[in-house]
Amino acid sequence: DADVTQTPRNRITKTGKRIMLECSQTKGHDRMYWYRQDPGLGLRLIYYSFDVKDINKGEISDGYSVSRQAQAKFSLSLESAIPNQTALYFCATSGLVGASGTDTQYFGPGTRLTVL
Amino acid sequence: SQKIEQNSEALNIQEGKTATLTCNYTNYSPAYLQWYRQDPGRGPVFLLLIRENEKEKRKERLKVTFDTTLKQSLFHITASQPADSATYLCALVGGSYIPTFGRGTSLIVHP
Repeated sequence: DADVTQTPRNRITKTGKRIMLECSQTKGHDRMYWYRQDPGLGLRLIYYSFDVKDINKGEISDGYSVSRQAQAKFSLSLESAIPNQTALYFCATSGLVGASGTDTQYFGPGTRLTVL
Repeated sequence: SQKIEQNSEALNIQEGKTATLTCNYTNYSPAYLQWYRQDPGRGPVFLLLIRENEKEKRKERLKVTFDTTLKQSLFHITASQPADSATYLCALVGGSYIPTFGRGTSLIVHP
């Protein structure tokens, strides 16, 4: 089974609709992230959470909200979807490697969202 | 502002040759740098990490160099194979442990 799962994998919706993207992980990591990827723009950070009670805005949080329901679950919501939110969305987890002091990201398979 | 530059043009090489990808950065003092591989429609996969005080790291056919004076990392794949065709992303990580990703360079290895 995949360590990081995302649902749905594909979604087509209309402008103004509320959408929730869900992410679950079995890696036991405390840190979770949401990114969006657009052609030519690379990965951009939307929100991140270092533990259940810690939520932080990333580079492009406007129009998005998140919920960390448990250590293993991190959801991204678009309260009122707009066409320029059409993108590929990735969830990622990471965990500090103690003595090395480094942190590596593990990505989910992505959700392709189209807003008409 | 922080800036990470990776070649936007695809790199085309013949099978068996060494592929070299470049990651340049400005206005950043990373603690370490990472390289990821991304296949179309899939999430990036971690490949290698190199710290600021390391010059070179190797893993099988992969080699990464890191020059903090030039603010540049080079990523090499020796004896390249068509299966190495993918987009390769570099990511810089500072004290916050939040990576900043480059836009990636597409590598195409021709048989």
